[in-house]
Amino acid sequence: EVQLVESGGGLVQPGGSLRLSCAASGFTFSSYWMHWVRQAPGKGLVWVSRINSDGSSTSYADSVKGRFTISRDNAKNTLYLQMNSLRAEDTAVYYCARDRSMMVFDYWGQGTLVTVSS
Amino acid sequence: QSALTQPASVSGSPGQSITISCTGTSSDVGSYNLVSWYQQHPGKAPKLMIYEVSKRPSGVSNRFSGSKSGNTASLTISGLQAEDEADYYCCSYAGSSTFDVVFGGGTKLTVL
Repeated sequence: EVQLVESGGGLVQPGGSLRLSCAASGFTFSSYWMHWVRQAPGKGLVWVSRINSDGSSTSYADSVKGRFTISRDNAKNTLYLQMNSLRAEDTAVYYCARDRSMMVFDYWGQGTLVTVSS
Repeated sequence: QSALTQPASVSGSPGQSITISCTGTSSDVGSYNLVSWYQQHPGKAPKLMIYEVSKRPSGVSNRFSGSKSGNTASLTISGLQAEDEADYYCCSYAGSSTFDVVFGGGTKLTVL
């Protein structure tokens, strides 16, 4: 059974940093592109970032470019999102999602809440 | 990075059919047959319902169907059931020159 389990969310002050993790199981993690998608409270889904299967290629939404870094450790079957210079508008539930092919998200984690507030 | 345009809400009675539109541009929806649709119940993770415009993943009811014309994609749900009440999001590949993926703003489906 495919499972994606996010962790690392919490309360952080503006300007602070946080690293999210997404532990994958039930499939060959190293064969799949992975994404982070976020959802602010009461709002819609917003794509944040993606990484290819071996970690050599990444892409970011303009709103997080230069502040967030996506990475992966295929030996540990884990996806990461390093978030720096956090802003109030980054407050959201962050989901990791598996890309079955061409930006189609076939499995999602349960999400982890990040709250940026003083 | 403008979101795709969806109606904020749609409604229908049990047994009826509804259609949710998703309007993009010639740079995303109009350029690629890579539109997908996701269903999200309150407090839950999104679920893939349609991909590549009209394909259904295994396990998704054939009451859900997708189509596309020009810059607008559509999700149709036939034979509405109470459990279909949820938020629905469209999503399109947008090319790698600026950003990869764009979502719609979401549509709240109410089953009356």
